[in-house]
Amino acid sequence: KAGVTQTPRYLIKTRGQQVTLSCSPISGHRSVSWYQQTPGQGLQFLFEYFSETQRNKGNFPGRFSGRQFSNSRSEMNVSTLELGDSALYLCASSLESGGGNEQFFGPGTRLTVL
Amino acid sequence: AQSVAQPEDQVNVAEGNPLTVKCTYSVSGNPYLFWYVQYPNRGLQFLLKYITGDNLVKGSYGFEAEFNKSQTSFHLKKPSALVSDSALYFCAVRDIGGFQKLVFGTGTRLLVSP
Repeated sequence: KAGVTQTPRYLIKTRGQQVTLSCSPISGHRSVSWYQQTPGQGLQFLFEYFSETQRNKGNFPGRFSGRQFSNSRSEMNVSTLELGDSALYLCASSLESGGGNEQFFGPGTRLTVL
Repeated sequence: AQSVAQPEDQVNVAEGNPLTVKCTYSVSGNPYLFWYVQYPNRGLQFLLKYITGDNLVKGSYGFEAEFNKSQTSFHLKKPSALVSDSALYFCAVRDIGGFQKLVFGTGTRLLVSP
């Protein structure tokens, strides 16, 4: 089975721009979660989608949004980029939401904001 | 709200020696507990999980973890460390019931010297 794929792998943007990141989960997985990873803050939870519905949301400003499509693929969008948004954005999928379901991570998208 | 603590930023061990990476957690009910490993410029890889049952859980690459309810701990162990085990290790917890998010610790860097 193919793993979680994320596109693009690297992205360079300037302040004020917006960006859309894409995630394709493992086939059959219905839950997709997004995380932001930075050296200073570690791994921060952004949101989780399950069957096109947002199940959980982390403590990020409204500039961060996401959605999930009927084929379970997910996108996250960051508007009005700030320097502090530079990070590795990780997507993870799991068979179901919550419980003992382990998450499988993609390689991440490295976003640099100049 | 659930939380997890990894008290050591870095653990140093010589190749061939046993290793332990510590993790303690806090949940309102019973926990689901996970360990992940991250190699440089890669996403997180699932190692093992505890849902219920035996307190000693065996996972990938010879790793195991012991669940201790009274001490609210879930330490990661390996009898004989390899240089290739050098990586960043994350403990994560999810509270039982509902669609709880997965909460990660800050990570522990494991350095295995030859």
